[in-house]
Amino acid sequence: QSVLTQPPSASGTPGQRVTISCSGSSSNIGSNYVFWYQQLPGTAPKLLIYSNDQRPSGVPDRFSGSKSGTSASLAISGLRSEDEADYYCATWDDSLSGRVFGGGSKLTVL
Amino acid sequence: QVQLVQSGAEVKKPGASVKVSCKASGYTFTSYDINWVRQATGQGLEWMGWMNPDSGNTGYAQKFQGRVTMTRNTAISTAYMELTSLRSDDTAVYYCARGGIPARDYGMDVWGQGTTVTVSS
Repeated sequence: QSVLTQPPSASGTPGQRVTISCSGSSSNIGSNYVFWYQQLPGTAPKLLIYSNDQRPSGVPDRFSGSKSGTSASLAISGLRSEDEADYYCATWDDSLSGRVFGGGSKLTVL
Repeated sequence: QVQLVQSGAEVKKPGASVKVSCKASGYTFTSYDINWVRQATGQGLEWMGWMNPDSGNTGYAQKFQGRVTMTRNTAISTAYMELTSLRSDDTAVYYCARGGIPARDYGMDVWGQGTTVTVSS
């Protein structure tokens, strides 16, 4: 059972906008930055969003992150087939004194 | 370029130990934490702990306390993760990942390629 809660799956058609939610608590999302990772099939995870809503260099602006209270969201606009991947939210948990992940959301581009 | 290169796949028997290495290049090894994250087949990411290569300080997830040890050799910019008393459910891909300091403020921005550890009798 993951500390952060994500929907197991999400889907959309090319060009659509999809969002993936991530729910936590006051000891994690409520008091710390949220990060999002993209894991393409058979590869290592890649940092997609940091500090709630910032994109590392090279990440398309189709990807955006937001946070409100103890929840966060990842939005992907202009969906493309190459966006098909697993997406994980993560943050620091003050009670556990460690990093925690969501269970991951598998994005399917129909 | 900045990269982390991990050691090769391992097959171990239950009860044995495994030690995975992670060699850093392209940046100052002692300026960033090294985290270890594992992923069982078809499952999600699981954070195991962190190590500060400068001080050697570590922090482990409660689940792995007493079974995991993270160390480093700064002379060769290499971090190590040793897991003991292996069980079948330790079968997974183990990743090292660079993390900013303090960990609460920074994500893990560079990842190794992963090391498959198989525990089987």
